[in-house]
Amino acid sequence: EADIYQTPRYLVIGTGKKITLECSQTMGHDKMYWYQQDPGMELHLIHYSYGVNSTEKGDLSSESTVSRIRTEHFPLTLESARPSHTSQYLCASIRGSPSNNEQFFGPGTRLTVL
Amino acid sequence: RKEVEQDPGPFNVPEGATVAFNCTYSNSASQSFFWYRQDCRKEPKLLMSVYSSGNEDGRFTAQLNRASQYISLLIRDSKLSDSATYLCAVFNDYKLSFGAGTTVTVRA
Repeated sequence: EADIYQTPRYLVIGTGKKITLECSQTMGHDKMYWYQQDPGMELHLIHYSYGVNSTEKGDLSSESTVSRIRTEHFPLTLESARPSHTSQYLCASIRGSPSNNEQFFGPGTRLTVL
Repeated sequence: RKEVEQDPGPFNVPEGATVAFNCTYSNSASQSFFWYRQDCRKEPKLLMSVYSSGNEDGRFTAQLNRASQYISLLIRDSKLSDSATYLCAVFNDYKLSFGAGTTVTVRA
């Protein structure tokens, strides 16, 4: 089992609220990723980090922001949630090169914005 | 055009059957390839990497065809527990690009 955790697992909130989705891993992995996945659809990379103080935007335009102050922690923040943000958010991490190593996923956060 | 495309299925097969499906990718410079398995409402987990010469892992066989830019997954002697969505993943530059998945349902 991968030691990567996400909280909360489920979140239902109203429009306009600020939320932070937590992601932590205890494997000492340097690279971490956030994906967004709608039901039956592909995963879209929204943010990634190659290490402490490194963050980059992914392919899918997102109004969220991330930070990487500690190796093990990679939180994602939405300043003002909207119904269009309703989705599943998956955090992942990897040690070494992503070209030939397994990417471990957390259990995901299912976000519903009313 | 999407970077990675898969036949969504579903493939409904009886136990013991062989099922195979493909995944096509658009970037000819793609460096490495994987199959992930995702159970309903769960996170993806690595099933197997795909090597140039093809590779097997038990009942699962993966193949890569660089000329035609596709990878394939074959499942032999299907088990009920093989029911899942199989995601193709292709590594380019700095990231993995995932397909939307092929759903396989194995029936008793």
